[in-house]
Order: sequence, then C-alpha cells, then structure tokens
Amino acid sequence: ETGVTQTPRHLVMGMTNKKSLKCEQHLGHNAMYWYKQSAKKPLELMFVYSLEERVENNSVPSRFSPECPNSSHLFLHLHTLQPEDSALYLCASSQGPGGETQYFGPGTRLLVL
Amino acid sequence: GQQVMQIPQYQHVQEGEDFTTYCNSSTTLSNIQWYKQRPGGHPVFLIQLVKSGEVKKQKRLTFQFGEAKKNSSLHITATQTTDVGTYFCAARSNDYKLSFGAGTTVTVRA
Repeated sequence: ETGVTQTPRHLVMGMTNKKSLKCEQHLGHNAMYWYKQSAKKPLELMFVYSLEERVENNSVPSRFSPECPNSSHLFLHLHTLQPEDSALYLCASSQGPGGETQYFGPGTRLLVL
Repeated sequence: GQQVMQIPQYQHVQEGEDFTTYCNSSTTLSNIQWYKQRPGGHPVFLIQLVKSGEVKKQKRLTFQFGEAKKNSSLHITATQTTDVGTYFCAARSNDYKLSFGAGTTVTVRA
C-alpha cells in the first residue's frame, strides 16, 4: 500500500534536537491526521486538518507543532521532546474529517534519548 | 468525547478455534469501522457497518452491528496464524467524529 507515505520510518533524537516528520497522501483526500501510538496504549489522536486548516487539537504539548501546507502534505515538527514521547507516530488521511474511513501510513518509530 | 470500549484487551487462541471480540458504546453510533494492525505494521481498514443489525462477512471474519447501533462484534472462525494482530473498532458518532477503541490483541498458539 503506497497511498499514504511517511518519512523517516525510524528516528532517534536527543531531547535538545529539532526534527520533523513528513506525511504525504496520494489519495486525493481532504483530511489528514496525526496519531500517537505508545506500547500497550490505544491510538491517541493528536491533530486533525481539513483542507489545510486545523480543526482539532487534542491538548497536545507545544513541543509538537503540526503544519499542513496543502491537502497532500502534513508535517509534525518536534523540539525539546521528552523520553516519554517515544512512540509510533501514525499519519492518516480520509476523504473528509467527518468520521470517514481512514487510511494510515506506515508510521515513524521515534525514540527520544 | 465519544468513549468506545473494546473487550477483551488480549485474546490468546488455539489455532483452529473460534473467538469473538466486542465493541461497545454508550451512545448511538452513525457507523462502526474495523481495522487490523499486524505486529510492526499500521492499522488497515477492514470493513464498515452502517445499518442496524447489519452482518457482513469476509472469509472467516464475521462482523455484526447491534440492533440499537451501540455495539458491534467481530467473530473469527478457525483461527489461523495469519489472524495475529490487534483489531480496532472505530465508532463514528452522530457529531461525525471517529473514535478508536483500545483494540483487542490476538495471539495464536500453533
């Protein structure tokens, strides 16, 4: 499946680093999402974008900063992260933001040292 | 927000046996979706149920939406090692938000 791609697939960073995660969808969808998935925890919705406008922000710390320059691309900028931020970060897209079927990317496995 | 409860959290199954995982909501749902995440993979959409009492089958997987549209089940018959993974239900509420359950993680004993 190549409908939603994410880079990098793996990332190790120190707490003082700044890095960015990239997501691209090739499905012509209008909504994009960032999720955090930690070990033994459910999917946590972080941000929702619809037509490049942020429509949901679920109390995510400011050290995570999303950016959606167009409906096909979504970024998650990371700075001064904590070890507990280590997780799988999943990007997803859907036709619209209203609960339609979501298509997930392969995720970025992040380790914060 | 919408709370969706999935039970059991873990399911250890002998190969060849059947099992069922359940998804429950306290509110009426617009639809319910099921996803599967293989170990090391990402969630992949399986199916969507919309109508009250709807039943859909995919080979050995049977999905059902409750009459009151507040619960759903996934039943797998003759479990195989390829069924290993975490199964998530995702409920679409009437305010058009999709909420994922915590998932049922399935392991299979050969």
